[in-house]
Amino acid sequence: GQQLNQSPQSMFIQEGEDVSMNCTSSSIFNTWLWYKQDPGEGPVLLIALYKAGELTSNGRLTAQFGITRKDSFLNISASIPSDVGIYFCAGQATDSWGKLQFGAGTQVVVTP
Amino acid sequence: KAGVTQTPRYLIKTRGQQVTLSCSPISGHRSVSWYQQTPGQGLQFLFEYFSETQRNKGNFPGRFSGRQFSNSRSEMNVSTLELGDSALYLCASGTGQSNEQFFGPGTRLTVL
Repeated sequence: GQQLNQSPQSMFIQEGEDVSMNCTSSSIFNTWLWYKQDPGEGPVLLIALYKAGELTSNGRLTAQFGITRKDSFLNISASIPSDVGIYFCAGQATDSWGKLQFGAGTQVVVTP
Repeated sequence: KAGVTQTPRYLIKTRGQQVTLSCSPISGHRSVSWYQQTPGQGLQFLFEYFSETQRNKGNFPGRFSGRQFSNSRSEMNVSTLELGDSALYLCASGTGQSNEQFFGPGTRLTVL
């Protein structure tokens, strides 16, 4: 089953609106990653976070590594139609080689 | 630089058969991780290989196995297929030094 609690499960927003989603974990992670997956494709890495408190941007996307190291947030500003997809958070614990634990995903639907 | 490639993209098998999936990582990447994605369980970690050695393993039965070759290409094998093995199998490559993982398009396995 899922290791991380990701919310919301889905979002229906209008073009131009901002989107926020978050993940919480009972475990401490040393890395948080955010991915986007389109139908029939593999997840695409959007942002990687390595330090507690770190805030990183990638274009209209901004993500933060929570100071407790048990949570992370992703914001999408001024959404556009191509932002449609499923967004996943993933965390990796110390000494957990190559093992990412994934949230259940947030489905984003953007209407014109 | 070419991305992660997986073959075949689609596969149909019957219960009791066995299957081998292949993954070629990004050139220079020595770590390959495998994941199973299903609607019910989401993305779950199977195992990770680095320099031909399995460094980590998820909670899957022994019917699921893998290996990595000297050129970093990896294969996973599922024996005695069950209906519940129907899923999208994703591999992801990384340098093995950072925790970022880059996914391939996946192999869609259907077990009848």
